[in-house]
Amino acid sequence: EADIYQTPRYLVIGTGKKITLECSQTMGHDKMYWYQQDPGMELHLIHYSYGVNSTEKGDLSSESTVSRIRTEHFPLTLESARPSHTSQYLCASSGWGDRGVVSYEQYFGPGTRLTVT
Amino acid sequence: QKEVEQDPGPLSVPEGAIVSLNCTYSNSAFQYFMWYRQYSRKGPELLMYTYSSGNKEDGRFTAQVDKSSKYISLFIRDSQPSDSATYLCAMNQGGSEKLVFGKGTKLTVNP
Repeated sequence: EADIYQTPRYLVIGTGKKITLECSQTMGHDKMYWYQQDPGMELHLIHYSYGVNSTEKGDLSSESTVSRIRTEHFPLTLESARPSHTSQYLCASSGWGDRGVVSYEQYFGPGTRLTVT
Repeated sequence: QKEVEQDPGPLSVPEGAIVSLNCTYSNSAFQYFMWYRQYSRKGPELLMYTYSSGNKEDGRFTAQVDKSSKYISLFIRDSQPSDSATYLCAMNQGGSEKLVFGKGTKLTVNP
């Protein structure tokens, strides 16, 4: 079944630790995204990728980094976690519409809720 | 002024009611409009995707776009308790990967 997966779903970690949030999709999509969502606030784009070896920063400044070595995999890494990184992180993917037309529909994973103590 | 404004609610309705959810926006370049449903502790689920002005219907859901007023709506007919969620509007102007989201409206449908 085509889907988008995120692990872990919940993570509580101490300040200064390095963490990697995993995102994989079996949708066959080229484009992938990372968003940050805080309670009662808009989703903010922090990273995106058009395909393998392509990564771009989004609107919201983030100390995280991403990589795209395989089409289906788009992990996000925080080298040194801080309490200000506490948030929900959502991964999404997007493909082409019917007959190769550009589509802006994005499909989201279940999210990782990160708490840094 | 935020690019997209959405009343956060909360909105509480009885089962069977017609629900109207709305967003206004300031950027006249927006052409693609989406509605997402997000259950508690889950990721957003795409409900409706429309291009430019007009209406689009899918089952109990109708999305409406009025570009002249910079106003979009999502109508839910015969609302069910399972519709209880936060509804997010999102927009894109095309030629960019950036989706601009509203803050979401929390809806509760009471049995």
